Amino acid sequence: QITLKESGPTLVKPTQTLTLTCTFSGFSLSTNGVGVGWIRQPPGRALEWLALIYWDDDKRYSPSLKSRLTITKDTSKNQVVLTMTNMDPMDTATYYCAHRRLKSAIQIFDPWGQGTLVTVSS
Amino acid sequence: DIQMTQSPSSLSASVGDRVTIICRASQSISSNLNWYQQKPGKAPKLLVYGASTLQSGVPSRFSGSGSGTDFTLTISSLQPEDFATYCCQQSNSPPWTFGQGTKVEIK
Repeated sequence: QITLKESGPTLVKPTQTLTLTCTFSGFSLSTNGVGVGWIRQPPGRALEWLALIYWDDDKRYSPSLKSRLTITKDTSKNQVVLTMTNMDPMDTATYYCAHRRLKSAIQIFDPWGQGTLVTVSS
Repeated sequence: DIQMTQSPSSLSASVGDRVTIICRASQSISSNLNWYQQKPGKAPKLLVYGASTLQSGVPSRFSGSGSGTDFTLTISSLQPEDFATYCCQQSNSPPWTFGQGTKVEIK
């Protein structure tokens, strides 16, 4: 059974750097085809994909946020870390990590972690 | 970026109703379209991938169809546990984008 859980601060101040950790079990991030993605959802709004790291350490970022994001993995600890710099109140959202794989050649995010709400406020 | 547009943004329906949700992509995405169900305070759950393949464990009253730019998610007979928000997502190319969601409410 695959599970993921996000952890990190619930409140950050504007201009600070956010560091979120996704701790997972039930799969290895060294397995061919596997990845972990980060997706966020501002309150009452749509989901927004942020970043994805693959088993081979290849990385993809949302173009609109690329300059502020860094995604890394620690395969031995079964963790993926997302950092986002220069936080703004508009970044207030629930942040999810999700397991990525190919199913019948279709990329899917499944399952997802429970999410963690991050509020940006002074 | 590929824009994903859903309609309607919300709908009211009764138990037993047939419900159809539309998702349109701003350019062709072949069959690289996934549908998720999200309940309040919960993470999204994968329902359909590849436009029409039900994820394991998803009831057969759910179905997906379409290819290219136009896609539909249909619930053949709405059940009480189906009241939720449904969201499409293109997996054709990064950045992987989501629709704005369709909230299915009880009439």
